[in-house]
Amino acid sequence: EPEVTQTPSHQVTQMGQEVILRCVPISNHLYFYWYRQILGQKVEFLVSFYNNEISEKSEIFDDQFSVERPDGSNFTLKIRSTKLEDSAMYFCASSEAVASRSPDTQYFGPGTRLTVL
Amino acid sequence: DQQVKQNSPSLSVQEGRISILNCDYTNSMFDYFLWYKKYPAEGPTFLISISSIKDKNEDGRFTVFLNKSAKHLSLHIVPSQPGDSAVYFCAASGVESGGGADGLTFGKGTHLIIQP
Repeated sequence: EPEVTQTPSHQVTQMGQEVILRCVPISNHLYFYWYRQILGQKVEFLVSFYNNEISEKSEIFDDQFSVERPDGSNFTLKIRSTKLEDSAMYFCASSEAVASRSPDTQYFGPGTRLTVL
Repeated sequence: DQQVKQNSPSLSVQEGRISILNCDYTNSMFDYFLWYKKYPAEGPTFLISISSIKDKNEDGRFTVFLNKSAKHLSLHIVPSQPGDSAVYFCAASGVESGGGADGLTFGKGTHLIIQP
């Protein structure tokens, strides 16, 4: 069964460093998403991406964050200058398509645990 | 601002019995609801969904009920099995005018423990 994959599984970085989290969405999916879950809190939406541009973003997704689809398979989340409070699990998700005004199911990857020291 | 609420942090059910997990929402623009199951150190796994045009959706042992007037949905698992022990998240989305991919709004989750 196709699945979303993410690398690395765990990333440790120093505060102020840049990190890039990588995701390979399900191959025939067209919408891609990033979420995060801070320890003990709920899963929070960051950004959605379609047709090589951001479709929607939350207030969490500020100028520190960026997303890119550098090639036909990868989808990346970059945090430019990490802060302690960026420590969280980051989940990538993808969905097949969203027809006009129709919802779609999002499938999640296993996550990357980001630890900022 | 909790738009999706799961008021029970944990629930313990005996194996073979029915598990009922509840979820309430406040945003009347939500029109698609999903349940995800999550094991520690893994991503959420999709279980079942329901559109607001329905009040029930069934898939094997899993049934989701939606009561739009009460802004309430529930997930029924019957019979409950030991492998069902996990955290269950309720999530919701609303299709904005003009289309686009809505982010899901999640509840805080309910830890279901199936007792042998």
